Amino acid sequence: AQSVSQHNHHVILSEAASLELGCNYSYGGTVNLFWYVQYPGQHLQLLLKYFSGDPLVKGIKGFEAEFIKSKFSFNLRKPSVQWSDTAEYFCAVDDNQGGKLIFGQGTELSVKP
Amino acid sequence: DAGVTQSPTHLIKTRGQQVTLRCSPKSGHDTVSWYQQALGQGPQFIFQYYEEEERQRGNFPDRFSGHQFPNYSSELNVNALLLGDSALYLCASSYKLAKNIQYFGAGTRLSVL
Repeated sequence: AQSVSQHNHHVILSEAASLELGCNYSYGGTVNLFWYVQYPGQHLQLLLKYFSGDPLVKGIKGFEAEFIKSKFSFNLRKPSVQWSDTAEYFCAVDDNQGGKLIFGQGTELSVKP
Repeated sequence: DAGVTQSPTHLIKTRGQQVTLRCSPKSGHDTVSWYQQALGQGPQFIFQYYEEEERQRGNFPDRFSGHQFPNYSSELNVNALLLGDSALYLCASSYKLAKNIQYFGAGTRLSVL
């Protein structure tokens, strides 16, 4: 069965530092990929998604992610984080385009002002 | 435009009891998916409903059942509660032609004592 691994459980950064959160899924084929964010006390929100085409996708709030098919990876990046980016970030994959999202365990990001 | 609404927000039950959680999808959405999120973990897919039928199911026992009503709202029922059922239960809604673009509710926090 498909699975998703997020490499970092907790990441602590200072404001203006660059961010990269790792995400790998277990096997290939046609996949749809997602990053969700959960700000403290709020519900899960879609940050960005990849279905096909340009492997570099841009999302909201300056986030982007790169799909590397050969590495089964979909890493999330942001050039300069802000205190307001403090949140939990979840990577997810849908390998049958039917809406059964498989989530990673999440990465908690803490940004120090 | 109302987003995904779930009720109740918190619930406390004892082992062996039964519980019903409710979800109203975002306006214009006709598909509802349910997820279980244990503490410190990513959401796990339970099942998905559209056109009032269960369409996909994750690796959850038959104690977990659901229903979708003609107005697209949905219920999640859990029978014979176990301590391990304590979790945040998330409802996500989508449109049938884009099932994996899902909008999440705030969840119902279930505690089983």
